[in-house]
Amino acid sequence: GESVGLHLPTLSVQEGDNSIINCAYSNSASDYFIWYKQESGKGPQFIIDIRSNMDKRQGQRVTVLLNKTVKHLSLQIAATQPGDSAVYFCAENTRQGGSEKLVFGKGTKLTVNP
Amino acid sequence: EPEVTQTPSHQVTQMGQEVILRCVPISNHLYFYWYRQILGQKVEFLVSFYNNEISEKSEIFDDQFSVERPDGSNFTLKIRSTKLEDSAMYFCASSEFGLAGVGYEQYFGPGTRLTVT
Repeated sequence: GESVGLHLPTLSVQEGDNSIINCAYSNSASDYFIWYKQESGKGPQFIIDIRSNMDKRQGQRVTVLLNKTVKHLSLQIAATQPGDSAVYFCAENTRQGGSEKLVFGKGTKLTVNP
Repeated sequence: EPEVTQTPSHQVTQMGQEVILRCVPISNHLYFYWYRQILGQKVEFLVSFYNNEISEKSEIFDDQFSVERPDGSNFTLKIRSTKLEDSAMYFCASSEFGLAGVGYEQYFGPGTRLTVT
């Protein structure tokens, strides 16, 4: 069945370090992936997305890498700041029978230590 | 910057009661969604809505749930007879276009915490 999961539930880094958050997906037909950031008490906030015809996409301080061979997605945050502390979710777009929906992973809690 | 708003922020209800959660999507968006998140767990898709009808729903979205766009601005989720296991954060989201199009990005509201006692 379809599922999106994360390798690590928590990640702790020092301020200024680079962070890498990983995600594995199981549906090889998924063609669109998104990373969301969720701060305590708030709704998910879009960070960056990538379509399956790309391997890499860069934003401001963030990079998403997609490896379709092993069905792996990662989010890299450069020069991590305390404000980056949050739970990060990957989500995949699944298409089945003409319908579409987002399937979220369980989330990785990133803690940035000053 | 435009944002999705939700009311109330916290709703406490007794088991068996009906609740209506309200959302105001971003004004030029055409696609609307409800998700829920049980405490400490992942965000789960409930339903998507476009052109005044449900376009997709999950197995969670059973006959106890319904959605409505009663006017040009509000999007509501109704739970007819709440159960203890309905306790969760409910997030509304909207997007300008559907998943296949540019401008797909879903903007989430701050959520309504539903507590069923």
